[in-house]
Amino acid sequence: EAGVTQFPSHSVIEKGQTVTLRCDPISGHDNLYWYRRVMGKEIKFLLHFVKESKQDESGMPNNRFLAERTGGTYSTLKVQPAELEDSGVYFCASSPWLDEGQGSYEQYFGPGTRLTVT
Amino acid sequence: GENVEQHPSTLSVQEGDSAVIKCTYSDSASNYFPWYKQELGKRPQLIIDIRSNVGEKKDQRIAVTLNKTAKHFSLHITETQPEDSAVYFCAARYLGANNLFFGTGTRLTVIP
Repeated sequence: EAGVTQFPSHSVIEKGQTVTLRCDPISGHDNLYWYRRVMGKEIKFLLHFVKESKQDESGMPNNRFLAERTGGTYSTLKVQPAELEDSGVYFCASSPWLDEGQGSYEQYFGPGTRLTVT
Repeated sequence: GENVEQHPSTLSVQEGDSAVIKCTYSDSASNYFPWYKQELGKRPQLIIDIRSNVGEKKDQRIAVTLNKTAKHFSLHITETQPEDSAVYFCAARYLGANNLFFGTGTRLTVIP
């Protein structure tokens, strides 16, 4: 079974430019999450999709960040315009749908996209 | 929301010794506590997890303990090997939420 994939693995852009990150979850996983790790800090939640719907976007830092999940499959995270503080590693994770208390809550992570804004 | 604190930030042990990483959480409604291992250049991978209705769980050389009263949980690695060297993250999920709240990570180095 293929794991979660992310593209690109690295991106270096200048302040003010736009970058779009892509995540392909494990096939059949309804839940898709975006997280970010700024150097030395915790992996921080950004938002959560259930299929194509945004379930929780409470972690999105500001309106420069836009996430979409077309048709409930892959997801994109666009940063426009990028600022220096947006640098970090962006992780995508996916998990199957389950009812509370049932099954495993494991989230499967992608390898991350390292974004550097100069 | 939930707040997870993790200590230490770095840990060096001799091969064969044990390693312990500790985390605390703030929300008593949290019910799931996974530990992820991230090797250099690789993705975070789940190595062990525990639910709030269990006090301890073991899988070969790794174990996790949970103290709900004190709101802390720990990862124990025995007979450490060089391949255990990685960054370890603890996390918590509270009832009704789906996202995880992570600690800041512990860089474990096992010295051969």
